[in-house]
Amino acid sequence: QVQLQQWGAGLLKPSETLSLTCAVYGGSFSGYHWSWIRQPPGKGLEWIGDISHTGNTYYNPSLKSRVTISVVTSQNQFSLKLSSVTAADTAVYYCARGRKDCSSGCLAFDSWGQGTLVTVSS
Amino acid sequence: DIQMTQSPSSLSASVGDRVTITCRASQSISTYLNWYQQKPGKAPKLLISPASSLQSGVPSRFSGSGSGTDFTLTISSLQPEDFATYYCQQSYSTSWTFGQGTKVEIK
Repeated sequence: QVQLQQWGAGLLKPSETLSLTCAVYGGSFSGYHWSWIRQPPGKGLEWIGDISHTGNTYYNPSLKSRVTISVVTSQNQFSLKLSSVTAADTAVYYCARGRKDCSSGCLAFDSWGQGTLVTVSS
Repeated sequence: DIQMTQSPSSLSASVGDRVTITCRASQSISTYLNWYQQKPGKAPKLLISPASSLQSGVPSRFSGSGSGTDFTLTISSLQPEDFATYYCQQSYSTSWTFGQGTKVEIK
């Protein structure tokens, strides 16, 4: 059974870069999209972006200018960097496995990391 | 982006009640619609994908229906462990978007 374990800094100052890493254990790394999703305190879910095992990236247009998602296939890990953070980026950040059941669209997030609360405060 | 709107935002129900949550897409998404359950302090859990296909291990009291722009999640007999927040997500096109959530509370 696949498990996702994530880590990274939980407290940042405005203008710093958020950096999180997610490791995948117990399952295949290929054939999936590896995703980042965030949830501000008390609010809903926002997709940040994802990367295929081949390295193709897809980003939320509202965050695209600040987001980089990368993958290290040999280590079954993928990472998120979000630059120039502000208080509005305070959220629980989740890594997740995206399963595509068809050739176009059909992405479902079927396994999730434990979440990391990232707080941006001066 | 495709906007997803859930209703109601919250509801109160009793154990054994039948509960229905609605999700509406801003454009047709065929049956490319997923449902998640999230409990406080936990990551979401995939329940249904797509539209009406129950994921392995999800109790049969959960069901999904709909196509095009209108979808429903139904819990046929609410159990104590079902009190949670439910989210829909369109999987028709990137960027993937979620509804704002429906919180199911104990009456």
